Amino acid sequence: GENVEQHPSTLSVQEGDSAVIKCTYSDSASNYFPWYKQELGKRPQLIIDIRSNVGEKKDQRIAVTLNKTAKHFSLHITETQPEDSAVYFCAARLSSNYQLIWGAGTKLIIKP
Amino acid sequence: EAEVAQSPRYKITEKSQAVAFWCDPISGHATLYWYRQILGQGPELLVQFQDESVVDDSQLPKDRFSAERLKGVDSTLKIQPAELGDSAMYLCASSLVGQAIPYEQYFGPGTRLTVT
Repeated sequence: GENVEQHPSTLSVQEGDSAVIKCTYSDSASNYFPWYKQELGKRPQLIIDIRSNVGEKKDQRIAVTLNKTAKHFSLHITETQPEDSAVYFCAARLSSNYQLIWGAGTKLIIKP
Repeated sequence: EAEVAQSPRYKITEKSQAVAFWCDPISGHATLYWYRQILGQGPELLVQFQDESVVDDSQLPKDRFSAERLKGVDSTLKIQPAELGDSAMYLCASSLVGQAIPYEQYFGPGTRLTVT
């Protein structure tokens, strides 16, 4: 079946530094790639997404890049803050049934 | 802002008992998803509805789980009998019909199930 690989599983960065999380997907027909942030005990919340006709999207301190040829996409967080600490999930939307295939998650730790 | 509603928020039950979860999606969202999330893992899709029809329930353990969305609006997920391994967060999400933009899935607050 289709899958999404996400790396790293844990990322620890100093406050103020940048964080990068990478995902690769298998279904070349995937056309939508969301990133969700999930704090402990809470629901996943969409923080940024990108459609397959766009290479990069930015929203203040977060950005996502997409390389369709290589089938990978990345989340970039600049000037990290303590409130960025959470688990981040990438996903790829299958064009066949509109389902999201989820990565395994990255626990982001911001060190003061 | 419209949100997906779920109840109860927390449920503690003994194994072999029956338990049910309810979800009310955002108005106008034709697609509804039930996910199970075990602590430390990503959401796992259990069942997907398009209006009142099941689109995909291939990951639903049908010997004990059932799901329905009778009028194509709210939905119920049932477990009978519950097992210790069912302890998890059960998340409901909704979105517009598949090909409609935006594609975003909106999640409810979840039901935390503990089976003792």
